[in-house]
Amino acid sequence: GESVGLHLPTLSVQEGDNSIINCAYSNSASDYFIWYKQESGKGPQFIIDIRSNMDKRQGQRVTVLLNKTVKHLSLQIAATQPGDSAVYFCAGMGAQKLVFGQGTRLTINP
Amino acid sequence: SQTIHQWPATLVQPVGSPLSLECTVEGTSNPNLYWYRQAAGRGLQLLFYSVGIGQISSEVPQNLSASRPQDRQFILSSKKLLLSDSGFYLCAWSVHADTQYFGPGTRLTVL
Repeated sequence: GESVGLHLPTLSVQEGDNSIINCAYSNSASDYFIWYKQESGKGPQFIIDIRSNMDKRQGQRVTVLLNKTVKHLSLQIAATQPGDSAVYFCAGMGAQKLVFGQGTRLTINP
Repeated sequence: SQTIHQWPATLVQPVGSPLSLECTVEGTSNPNLYWYRQAAGRGLQLLFYSVGIGQISSEVPQNLSASRPQDRQFILSSKKLLLSDSGFYLCAWSVHADTQYFGPGTRLTVL
């Protein structure tokens, strides 16, 4: 079955720097991936998604990259701000259900 | 636009007591509905999902049950809570098996 994991459980960056959060998946048949942001005490919030027929997608200050060859995706946040502090989850669609990774906690240093 | 509501926001219950958490969705019809549990500092565990009224699929054997009495209402229940039922319960909806949108969550503490 599908499994989705994160390379690092925590990530600290300086305010203003770019953040890169990585995720690996196991099911080569997964065709849809989502990044969520979860602030403390709140439900996960959709950030950006990507389908397997793409290798890059950009949103406002965020970019998702998908490398199907090595089954890896990443979330890049440009000019990280204090409001970006949260846990970030990747999720992959497998067998009609989303499978979530464990999450990466992003901390912003002033 | 679509909105999803959960209540209560927080709940403290004694071991052995019953549980009922409610989730409602507005602004869409026949959504897929999901219940997740999130332990502190952990990822999301899918508990139940529903593709229509009265249709419930259980992902893991447990002390909980789910029901969908109306198209946009999803209820999570237990007859007797265990300490291990403590956690953050999240409801989500989607159009078919696609992007899921989450509610604000219910923090359950079982003492």
